[in-house]
Amino acid sequence: QVQLVQSGAEVKKPGASVKVSCKASGYTFAILVLHWVRQAPGQRLEWMGWINAANGNTKYSETFQGRVSISRDTSASTAYMELSSLRSEDTAVYYCAKNFLNAFDIWGQGTMVTVSS
Amino acid sequence: EIVMTQSPATLSVSPGERATLSCRASQSVSSNLAWYQQKPGQAPRLLIYGASTRATGIPARFSGSGSGTEFTLTISSLQSEDFAVYYCQQYNNWTFGQGTKVEIK
Repeated sequence: QVQLVQSGAEVKKPGASVKVSCKASGYTFAILVLHWVRQAPGQRLEWMGWINAANGNTKYSETFQGRVSISRDTSASTAYMELSSLRSEDTAVYYCAKNFLNAFDIWGQGTMVTVSS
Repeated sequence: EIVMTQSPATLSVSPGERATLSCRASQSVSSNLAWYQQKPGQAPRLLIYGASTRATGIPARFSGSGSGTEFTLTISSLQSEDFAVYYCQQYNNWTFGQGTKVEIK
């Protein structure tokens, strides 16, 4: 069965960047489309973007355009989400999730990113 | 951006009772609507997609209905494991509602 395992918690200073990884197993990575979603404390879930693992095509939310970059390493069956110019409002749990008919059927366990000076 | 609005914010229900959760879209999303369940410290879990199709392994007590701008998630007889936060999501361009917390009455 498909499993998505994310990298561990991060603490960053304002202005820095963070890169979160999402390793897929139990599925052919190259046919996956993976989304990134974040959840700030007490806030609703917020979609950030997706990547097509087959060709590397990406689409980003306008909210994060210019600050987010999603990439993949097919040899490692891993997708990455990098968020730059971090501010305190970016403190959140970041999730990767597998696309299923445009809904999200499998989720990673989440990665807590804390932005604090 | 399509804004999703859920009601109520909190629903207090006794075990065995029926729970009805609502979700409204600011413009039509056809049937491109999913429901998720989230428990504290866990990732969301897909319950319903296509507005009314249960995801794999989801019990029959969960049902979804609606199309266009008005949607409903019904839990026919609440079990102890169903107390959680529920989110709707439109996937024309992926926005979520603010969630409904189902708590024990």
